[in-house]
Amino acid sequence: QSVLTQPPSVSGAPGQRVTISCTGSSSNIGAGYAVHWYQQLPGTVPKLLIYGNSNRPSGVPDRFSGSKSGTSASLAITGLQIEDEADYYCQSYDRSLSGSVFGGGTQLTVL
Amino acid sequence: QVQLQESGPGLLKPSETLSLTCTVSGSSINNYYWSWIRQPPGQGLESIGYIYYSGSTSYNPSLKSRVTISVDTSKNQFSLRLRSVTAADTAVYYCARSPPPLDSNGFDYWGQGILVTVSS
Repeated sequence: QSVLTQPPSVSGAPGQRVTISCTGSSSNIGAGYAVHWYQQLPGTVPKLLIYGNSNRPSGVPDRFSGSKSGTSASLAITGLQIEDEADYYCQSYDRSLSGSVFGGGTQLTVL
Repeated sequence: QVQLQESGPGLLKPSETLSLTCTVSGSSINNYYWSWIRQPPGQGLESIGYIYYSGSTSYNPSLKSRVTISVDTSKNQFSLRLRSVTAADTAVYYCARSPPPLDSNGFDYWGQGILVTVSS
């Protein structure tokens, strides 16, 4: 089981807004460590989508946004596009494990 | 631009040792954290561990007894050794970079990944 919990799948129609949750504990997200999000398109390498809870690397559209509260974080995607179909992973640091931990991943389907 | 490239054997037999090297170009090894991450076929991402350029390491507790990560700053490379592999170690292995501090930054650059299959 993953240390961070994500829903296995979410879906939405083109143009809609979807959110993906990431739930941790007092040992990781709740301890104040930042949450990062990755997008993995089919057959490709994971790509950093959001870092430091809510920051977008250069080149990432502002349709993608991140937030964090307590022991959870969320990734929001607005104006959903077909090309957003991918697996999304959250990641944080865990002080008990002294290392990085990932969520189990969420498969986004654009209907 | 920053590029990471994994290299090593793609097929191992059970009980053998997995040895991979990540060659970094476009970035100095110095002043960054360097990680190994794996992804079994059809599954999610798992952190194996990391090394700081200075040589300090941290490993996933579930793999700690079998893993060693090392760095060669003169070659701008870092390496992974995973002993006594089983079929459960079959995965795509990625190397990745994190700017410090590790607990505030994600993995900003990744290698293309190398599929390692463990089979008799």
